[in-house]
Amino acid sequence: EPEVTQTPSHQVTQMGQEVILRCVPISNHLYFYWYRQILGQKVEFLVSFYNNEISEKSEIFDDQFSVERPDGSNFTLKIRSTKLEDSAMYFCASTQNTGELFFGEGSRLTVL
Amino acid sequence: AQSVTQPDIHITVSEGASLELRCNYSYGATPYLFWYVQSPGQGLQLLLKYFSGDTLVQGIKGFEAEFKRSQSSFNLRKPSVHWSDAAEYFCAVGPMDSSYKLIFGSGTRLLVRP
Repeated sequence: EPEVTQTPSHQVTQMGQEVILRCVPISNHLYFYWYRQILGQKVEFLVSFYNNEISEKSEIFDDQFSVERPDGSNFTLKIRSTKLEDSAMYFCASTQNTGELFFGEGSRLTVL
Repeated sequence: AQSVTQPDIHITVSEGASLELRCNYSYGATPYLFWYVQSPGQGLQLLLKYFSGDTLVQGIKGFEAEFKRSQSSFNLRKPSVHWSDAAEYFCAVGPMDSSYKLIFGSGTRLLVRP
């Protein structure tokens, strides 16, 4: 069964460092998303991406964040200069156009 | 603005007992509705979804949910809980706009007593 895969599963970084989280969405899907879940809290929408551009972003998704689909298969989330409060689980998701999102297992980011 | 409310932060039930997790939403039209389950340290697994049609939907692991438009609710039920059901449960609403994004509730943590 096709699935969304994310790497790394866990990354530890120093405050101020750049981080790139990678996702491989399901191959025939058209819409891609990043969500964030701070430990013990709800899952929050960060950004949606369609047709090679951001279609919607939340207020959390400030200038420190960027997304890219560099090669037609990967979908990346970059945090330019990490802050302590960026520590969270980051989930990638994709959908064809049915409204049902398929989530990856998540990438846990720890900022020290 | 769309929102999802899960009023119960924690629920504890005995194994074999029935379960109902509450979810209320605020949205201007009929949304897509979902329940996801998350085991500790794991990703989000879809339990069931409602798009249209029959308001009682069946999902995996013996779960079901009922959409009640008049109450703006989509409560999750299971007639007999198993210890392996202990997890965090998230209700989500999908606006029927071009982004298809989901908005999640704050979650309900289910504890199962042996």
